[in-house]
Amino acid sequence: GAGVSQTPSNKVTEKGKYVELRCDPISGHTALYWYRQSLGQGPEFLIYFQGTGAADDSGLPNDRFFAVRPEGSVSTLKIQRTERGDSAVYLCASSLGSGTGSGELFFGEGSRLTVL
Amino acid sequence: AQSVTQLGSHVSVSEGALVLLRCNYSSSVPPYLFWYVQYPNQGLQLLLKYTSAATLVKGINGFEAEFKKSETSFHLTKPSAHMSDAAEYFCAVCPAGAGSYQLTFGKGTKLSVIP
Repeated sequence: GAGVSQTPSNKVTEKGKYVELRCDPISGHTALYWYRQSLGQGPEFLIYFQGTGAADDSGLPNDRFFAVRPEGSVSTLKIQRTERGDSAVYLCASSLGSGTGSGELFFGEGSRLTVL
Repeated sequence: AQSVTQLGSHVSVSEGALVLLRCNYSSSVPPYLFWYVQYPNQGLQLLLKYTSAATLVKGINGFEAEFKKSETSFHLTKPSAHMSDAAEYFCAVCPAGAGSYQLTFGKGTKLSVIP
């Protein structure tokens, strides 16, 4: 597809379960970002990949959150032992260059996670 | 460190009226500034960005914003609102520089357009 694709669009899970959220960036985009948007808030930075490596994971809230991008394209955000406070929309974005100054971020529609 | 304050979580305007969405920022270094729009059931889309060139920035769909360093503001305007402008608008800031990437967003302003 032409845009950033995120799956699933909606995920409902129970407290304590493990969740994976997938992001398929625009082809050729080397930079990939994950953001989290809680109800009534703006998106908050989680992690930034340049190629296969996580260049900055300072936004991950705790060690239950982990993200990978093994081949420099698709990325998976993994959440262990989910808690009700993890409920949010998880946004993925990609860009051609190495940062916002050199290129536009293109966002997917997000994955809405609900933890019961 | 940087932060963004968007005044007004909801703004209503009549069709054809001026749109003014306010954004004030705080940044310890020269900033890049952005406005994103989110239409229902769609991803965030870049409206316009300021990256230290002209202080008056024109974007898509007739929107523009002016960077005012003295007021630490980057308000978004459109002379005449259309029904299709109804959406949520987010102001964002990041440190200036080609390698900068960490956007800090405001809480958003939901714009309603009344026919």
